[in-house]
Amino acid sequence: DAGITQSPRHKVTETGTPVTLRCHQTENHRYMYWYRQDPGHGLRLIHYSYGVKDTDKGEVSDGYSVSRSKTEDFLLTLESATSSQTSVYFCAISEREQLETQYFGPGTRLLVL
Amino acid sequence: KQEVTQIPAALSVPEGENLVLNCSFTDSAIYNLQWFRQDPGKGLTSLLLIQSSQREQTSGRLNASLDKSSGRSTLYIAASQPGDSATYLCAVISGGSNYKLTFGKGTLLTVNP
Repeated sequence: DAGITQSPRHKVTETGTPVTLRCHQTENHRYMYWYRQDPGHGLRLIHYSYGVKDTDKGEVSDGYSVSRSKTEDFLLTLESATSSQTSVYFCAISEREQLETQYFGPGTRLLVL
Repeated sequence: KQEVTQIPAALSVPEGENLVLNCSFTDSAIYNLQWFRQDPGKGLTSLLLIQSSQREQTSGRLNASLDKSSGRSTLYIAASQPGDSATYLCAVISGGSNYKLTFGKGTLLTVNP
């Protein structure tokens, strides 16, 4: 299994509070991704990174920001959490770009009350 | 905009049966197609990746085929086992959507002993 960890694994928070999710990899892969998975919508890309300090928006980026100051860490921040951001969040990595398999982390379950 | 559809949404079979899962996509200009497995409460595990220039890939009891012109892929599972029970997800990377996977909503497979 690819060395990907996510923290926290579970979180309950209140509407309006900031939340940061962390993805950590030990594979030294260049590309990192944040997805959310919701019933009826499947997996959707939030943001991705193609190198340190290089990030871009995905399909559902509104309300989320990301940062990548080191190759191994990719942070996802909900600036002011809303109930619609209750979801399961997955981090993924790939060594190169679109021709490569993506490897997924175990996920973070976030509940916004 | 690329759309990925998986049929059926759920499938229940007795142990030992050979089965086929279907995936279709609307934009045939893809770089690759991937099949993933997801166990309840877990992350995604990559099963097979087919490059756009390939017709099929095999791994053990799994065989995935790709027909770009018709926008279809199938995942064939031979001699199914209860341990194959999971949700199977299909995802494509399309031309013009660098690094971004578009997922289907998955097929929930149950293999009964």
